[in-house]
Amino acid sequence: DVKVTQSSRYLVKRTGEKVFLECVQDMDHENMFWYRQDPGLGLRLIYFSYDVKMKEKGDIPEGYSVSREKKERFSLILESASTNQTSMYLCASSLATPDTQYFGPGTRLTVL
Amino acid sequence: QKEVEQNSGPLSVPEGAIASLNCTYSDRGSQSFFWYRQYSGKSPELIMSIYSNGDKEDGRFTAQLNKASQYVSLLIRDSQPSDSATYLCAVKMDAGGTSYGKLTFGQGTILTVHP
Repeated sequence: DVKVTQSSRYLVKRTGEKVFLECVQDMDHENMFWYRQDPGLGLRLIYFSYDVKMKEKGDIPEGYSVSREKKERFSLILESASTNQTSMYLCASSLATPDTQYFGPGTRLTVL
Repeated sequence: QKEVEQNSGPLSVPEGAIASLNCTYSDRGSQSFFWYRQYSGKSPELIMSIYSNGDKEDGRFTAQLNKASQYVSLLIRDSQPSDSATYLCAVKMDAGGTSYGKLTFGQGTILTVHP
C-alpha cells in the first residue's frame, strides 16, 4: 500500500511566522504535489516536483516555496504566514506511470 | 470556461438507488481520468481510474469514458449511506509529455444517500 504522511494534522501559527509543512512518501514516487483546499474553491495546486531538486509552480504559488532534497520528502514553506493562508493543505505523490495520485491525510493550518 | 466541470449538486439519492456523477473536460487531448471520494474532514481517496473509452467496473462502481464527447461519469449502484461524500473528478491534461502527472480537479459533487 502506498503511504503518504504529513508532519502535522493540525497547526496553529501567528501572522509573519515561517511555517514548514513536510510530506513523506514510501513508494519511491517520482512526482510529488502540494495542494490547498478551501470551501467553494476546490483543490488548487501550489507546487509540484518531478524529481529531486526539481520544482514547478502550480496555479497559486505566491507566498509559498518548496524544497525537495530527497526523493521521498517534499516540503512546503510559507515564508511569512498570513491569515489568507489558513486552509487545508494536502500532499500527494505519484509514479510517472501510472500517474494515479495518492494523498496524505492533510494538515489543517490556522494562521492567527 | 472551467477546464473540468462536474454537475454542481448536491445530489441526494435513496439507499439502494443508482447515483450518477458526471464530469466534462475541455482538453480534447486528455489522457487519464480519475474519480476520488472525499469524506468530510478527510483527504481524497482513489476510487477508479480510466484511460480508454468505454466502461470500467469495480464492484458497485462503474466509470464511463467518452473521449469524443469529452465526458466521464461515475455510477454507483446499490448506493449506501456510507457512500455519502464529495466525489472529485480529476483529469490529466495533454501537455505534450511535460505534465509530470499534474491533474486538474473539478469542484466536486456532494452526494448524500438517505436511508
